[in-house]
Amino acid sequence: DIQMTQSPSSLSASVGDRVTITCRASQSISSYLNWYQQKPGKAPKLLIYAASSLQSGVPSRFSGSGSGTDFTLTISSLQPEDFATYYCQQSYRTGTFGQGTKLEIK
Amino acid sequence: QVQLVQSGAEVKKPGASVKVSCKTSGYTFTGYYMHWVRQAPGQGLEWMGWINPNSGGTNYAQKFQGRVTMSRDTSISTGYMELSRLRSDDTAVYYCARDIHAYIVATTLDYWGQGTLVTVSS
Repeated sequence: DIQMTQSPSSLSASVGDRVTITCRASQSISSYLNWYQQKPGKAPKLLIYAASSLQSGVPSRFSGSGSGTDFTLTISSLQPEDFATYYCQQSYRTGTFGQGTKLEIK
Repeated sequence: QVQLVQSGAEVKKPGASVKVSCKTSGYTFTGYYMHWVRQAPGQGLEWMGWINPNSGGTNYAQKFQGRVTMSRDTSISTGYMELSRLRSDDTAVYYCARDIHAYIVATTLDYWGQGTLVTVSS
């Protein structure tokens, strides 16, 4: 099975900050990497698919990059509504998720 | 608009089975793979498998093989996930979700149901 490891597990930041979350796959997954945002009590929301494609309706402050085993999600300027938990997911073989990164207000 | 509406919360005893439904609208049900994902309390997301609503074909995560059955009723655009031999660690919110592309499996989930809490307790 492909394992996905996110770092950090939690992160404190302020409105307006630039934030980067990293995801590493246990083997090469090409660009088969998605990012989701989840708020408490809600279903996840797709932000980025195929490593760098922005899902329709998602603000352009979100961006993704990477290929092979190392990927990043960047939020260019944090907004109050961005404080949530973020998950990466590989879609190369089945659909393993990372353990999540909780983004909190500093 | 695309909607996935799941059945209500369930409480089950260890060893029992549970069947969760996911009624869809706003798109061609048979055109998009349906996935199931679960989330234990305070934990991360766990992908369980998919069903091709057109053919009925399925693919389950190894962890759930032998215990999970995904099915569908095309006449009412509804998918189902049944989990048997329930244990306390199956307590979780179970989500259905639609795959992003028509007619292929991309395991990229663009629309989600609201979730169904299944509690397993004696």
